[in-house]
Amino acid sequence: DAGVIQSPRHEVTEMGQEVTLRCKPISGHDYLFWYRQTMMRGLELLIYFNNNVPIDDSGMPEDRFSAKMPNASFSTLKIQPSEPRDSAVYFCASSFSGSNQPQHFGDGTRLSIL
Amino acid sequence: SQKIEQNSEALNIQEGKTATLTCNYTNYSPAYLQWYRQDPGRGPVFLLLIRENEKEKRKERLKVTFDTTLKQSLFHITASQPADSATYLCATVSGTYKYIFGTGTRLKVLA
Repeated sequence: DAGVIQSPRHEVTEMGQEVTLRCKPISGHDYLFWYRQTMMRGLELLIYFNNNVPIDDSGMPEDRFSAKMPNASFSTLKIQPSEPRDSAVYFCASSFSGSNQPQHFGDGTRLSIL
Repeated sequence: SQKIEQNSEALNIQEGKTATLTCNYTNYSPAYLQWYRQDPGRGPVFLLLIRENEKEKRKERLKVTFDTTLKQSLFHITASQPADSATYLCATVSGTYKYIFGTGTRLKVLA
């Protein structure tokens, strides 16, 4: 079984550039989550979707961040314009319905903004 | 606001000993807690879930306890092995699906 697939695994870009992170959730999962992980703040929930609909985006740090889920098998997290403080590892996770269901994480995108 | 705290200092133990990791929560009464393992460069992997009405849960060499009086969960690895070296995260949910993770405790099992 394929797990959650994220791309790219690494991204290095200059500040001001647009960054797009991609995620393919596990087939059949109806919840999708985007997280950001830093040493200082740990793993923080940015936004989550249910059946492709954004439910809670209160964790999105600024308007520079946006996320979409055009269909059940694809989601994007976009940062425009990017800033050095956005440097972090971004994870996508998916799960079945039920808040006690385990989350299945991808291996993340390590983003460095110079 | 709801908070989950884990000891951010690394824990080093000798192979064969029992590792005990702590997760404390404040301003909150979670219905359950989850524990995840994270290896360097990888995403977290789910290990165990314990509900508030369960005192203890076991899975092979892993044991999790949940003390609602102390507002604490303990995660034990018995007969630890170098392969158990990783960062362990505890997590819960605020509201419906708003997951909150601790910052994790890094465990190193010395051969």
